[in-house]
Amino acid sequence: DTAVSQTPKYLVTQMGNDKSIKCEQNLGHDTMYWYKQDSKKFLKIMFSYNNKELIINETVPNRFSPKSPDKAHLNLHINSLELGDSAVYFCASSLSGLSYNEQFFGPGTRLTVL
Amino acid sequence: KNEVEQSPQNLTAQEGEFITINCSYSVGISALHWLQQHPGGGIVSLFMLSSGKKKHGRLIATINIQEKHSSLHITASHPRDSAVYICAAHNTDKLIFGTGTRLQVFP
Repeated sequence: DTAVSQTPKYLVTQMGNDKSIKCEQNLGHDTMYWYKQDSKKFLKIMFSYNNKELIINETVPNRFSPKSPDKAHLNLHINSLELGDSAVYFCASSLSGLSYNEQFFGPGTRLTVL
Repeated sequence: KNEVEQSPQNLTAQEGEFITINCSYSVGISALHWLQQHPGGGIVSLFMLSSGKKKHGRLIATINIQEKHSSLHITASHPRDSAVYICAAHNTDKLIFGTGTRLQVFP
């Protein structure tokens, strides 16, 4: 059983389009995250949600809008895609946002904006 | 300068060698995480530690809070250990990641 799943795995799209990436966890965790990994493999937090409530919004452009319909899902919608949005996006979850909780990562979604 | 620095950036080793990857951080932390990113891209958590030392199989992680430094050691390295190893400082509510160390172990 996959613990944290993301769809799609690959996404290729044109500049200016709007796209969504879905994330689901079946671990019963309260906290979910979105991370961006750039071309140099550097990971950076984008958002975190705790029980459907936004906890962290790390100065991400307004074109990125996370949505958490329930605590098992955290989707990422991106409007007006730009070339610089090309990256691998990882979803993750943890029991809570506390530091001693292990984070479980999804397989990543490789977004390519042409 | 990144708040979390790792060294070396790249590391090659022969099978069986003892490996050390270093992580220094400049922010206050409540825990330090070590992650492994496989060549296929998946990320798994290896350790979380806030003091002392933890061991899991051939992997050992240590942290010195006063010196703001952590190390990840791999004993008897194996080609399947080839991956990118990332340390991350848990600062307030979020993880701040190092730049990663790419390890290649040759048979």
